[in-house]
Amino acid sequence: DTEVTQTPKHLVMGMTNKKSLKCEQHMGHRAMYWYKQKAKKPPELMFVYSYEKLSINESVPSRFSPECPNSSLLNLHLHALQPEDSALYLCASRPIGTLNTGELFFGEGSRLTVL
Amino acid sequence: QQQVKQSPQSLIVQKGGISIINCAYENTAFDYFPWYQQFPGKGPALLIAIRPDVSEKKEGRFTISFNKSAKQFSLHIMDSQPGDSATYFCAPRGPRGSRLTFGEGTQLTVNP
Repeated sequence: DTEVTQTPKHLVMGMTNKKSLKCEQHMGHRAMYWYKQKAKKPPELMFVYSYEKLSINESVPSRFSPECPNSSLLNLHLHALQPEDSALYLCASRPIGTLNTGELFFGEGSRLTVL
Repeated sequence: QQQVKQSPQSLIVQKGGISIINCAYENTAFDYFPWYQQFPGKGPALLIAIRPDVSEKKEGRFTISFNKSAKQFSLHIMDSQPGDSATYFCAPRGPRGSRLTFGEGTQLTVNP
């Protein structure tokens, strides 16, 4: 299994809603990432988890709350978002240690629209 | 993203032609130089990558050329095909780093 699976693929939410994005991988990767990508732009790093602990937070607003409940799962909890938060949210993973070739494995993303 | 400059922003090539995309970087601490390919509606996927101890790496129709002194690396796609139409990102990485530094991307269109 070499896939990173993201759900849902599409999400529409209002500014007062609370929703979550989910990411799952079964490759044994112990580093997991959230990226945000706007149209025609490169992915922007949001959060990095290493061994289920948050290691990087790129000064992301608190309305985005990441969670890594175990080594296979990564969630992104969304609350009180703004229309400008509409974007493609990408999850990625990679192995740590001797298996690390540098490659990041990306999921297909969750397309978020905030009304 | 100021550390990485990717060019051109867009590229149109005829089928069978050569596509060349360039990436210039400033951070001499980068130690891994990948190119990612992204199709519409999909996440990026690693296409090819090079370490700084070699100057060229070829995988099928795709070649990376690396010039350490000039702090540049480039992607060459030989015999370009319509199926190569995608957005390409260079994304060098720092030592022991967890993060990639993405270029702005190049939208490649290969006309049949």
